Amino acid sequence: EVQLVESGGAVVQPGGSLRLSCAASGFKFDDYTMHWVRLRPGKGLEWVSFISWNGVSTNYAGSVEGRFTISRDNKKNSLYLQMNSLRAEDTALYYCAKRADYNYFDYWGQGTMVTVSS
Amino acid sequence: DIQMTQSPSSLSASVGDRVTITCQASQDISDFLSWYQHKPGKAPKLLIYDASHLGTGVPSRFSGSGSGTDFTLTISGLQPEDFATYYCQQYDTLYTFGPGTKVDIK
Repeated sequence: EVQLVESGGAVVQPGGSLRLSCAASGFKFDDYTMHWVRLRPGKGLEWVSFISWNGVSTNYAGSVEGRFTISRDNKKNSLYLQMNSLRAEDTALYYCAKRADYNYFDYWGQGTMVTVSS
Repeated sequence: DIQMTQSPSSLSASVGDRVTITCQASQDISDFLSWYQHKPGKAPKLLIYDASHLGTGVPSRFSGSGSGTDFTLTISGLQPEDFATYYCQQYDTLYTFGPGTKVDIK
């Protein structure tokens, strides 16, 4: 059974940093591109970033480019999101999601909450 | 950037109803469209991919259609467990989600 479990969410002050983690199991992690997606309060889903199976290729939404860094450790079956220079508008539930055989997402975690507030 | 719109933004329906949600892309995305169901506190669930293909384990009362810029998700015979928010997503060029359609109980 595929499982994705996010952790690391917290309350942080504007300008602060946070690192999210996603522990994956139930599939061959190093075969798949992985994503971060967020759900801001009162808003819809927003794709944040992806990383290729080998970590060579990454991409970011314009709203986080230059502030967030996605990475992975295939030996630990783990995905990460380093978030710097956090803003109030980054407040959201952050999900990790697994790319399917094509570019849609076939499995998601339950999310970890990030609140940026003074 | 490709923009996605959905309508309606919310609807009230009864168990057994046929429900239709539409999604429109700002440019041609062929059939690179998926639908997800999301309930509060739960992981989003893939329902439909490539516009019309049913995800693994998804009940056959869910169906998707469309191509190009206009797409539809239909639930034929709404069940109590179907009350949720539904999102479309394009994956033709990066990824964009629609704003969501909340389906609640009439």
